[in-house]
Amino acid sequence: DQQVKQNSPSLSVQEGRISILNCDYTNSMFDYFLWYKKYPAEGPTFLISISSIKDKNEDGRFTVFLNKSAKHLSLHIVPSQPGDSAVYFCAASVGGTYKYIFGTGTRLKVLA
Amino acid sequence: DAGVIQSPRHEVTEMGQEVTLRCKPISGHNSLFWYRQTMMRGLELLIYFNNNVPIDDSGMPEDRFSAKMPNASFSTLKIQPSEPRDSAVYFCASRKTGDSNQPQHFGDGTRLSIL
Repeated sequence: DQQVKQNSPSLSVQEGRISILNCDYTNSMFDYFLWYKKYPAEGPTFLISISSIKDKNEDGRFTVFLNKSAKHLSLHIVPSQPGDSAVYFCAASVGGTYKYIFGTGTRLKVLA
Repeated sequence: DAGVIQSPRHEVTEMGQEVTLRCKPISGHNSLFWYRQTMMRGLELLIYFNNNVPIDDSGMPEDRFSAKMPNASFSTLKIQPSEPRDSAVYFCASRKTGDSNQPQHFGDGTRLSIL
């Protein structure tokens, strides 16, 4: 059973527009969420995180929104740049502990 | 600062051979993780060490897999004997525990192909 789901395997966005990547989870015990970005032949790189006590966290062009009632989080990238083209993974954990459960990833392509 | 360093980056070997993957965590990080990424199962945790001690090895698929962390700056993941279904990308990650909600930092992985 997949506790963390990224239902869109891929997404294409025009440069300068907003990219919205979505993630759903089933375990209501999850209270810490992260987004990682991965380029080919590299390891995942931490992007942004959010605790369940918040519903929004912002870092530059990246904003993560958390809707606990819907068990849904999203990553907004504004404006999107060609260098943002990568695979994005969401991950969840309980109590910020070591065990991250990862989604299957969404491949973002930003078109110049 | 140096990140997590994994070696080799690529390994191709025949089934039945022993495979050893190596990891050097970020200096000062006291938690280390081994992950495996496959198309079918995505990114899954194999084993977690804290202060060089294995805490959770429930993700290790079979007895053919073993991991050690002899000191704070080195860990190995060994597969013996290897099988074609072990082909995957193996990632090592490290983290500094103690600071709440510190993220895990990943190495660039070892792409393993078992023929």
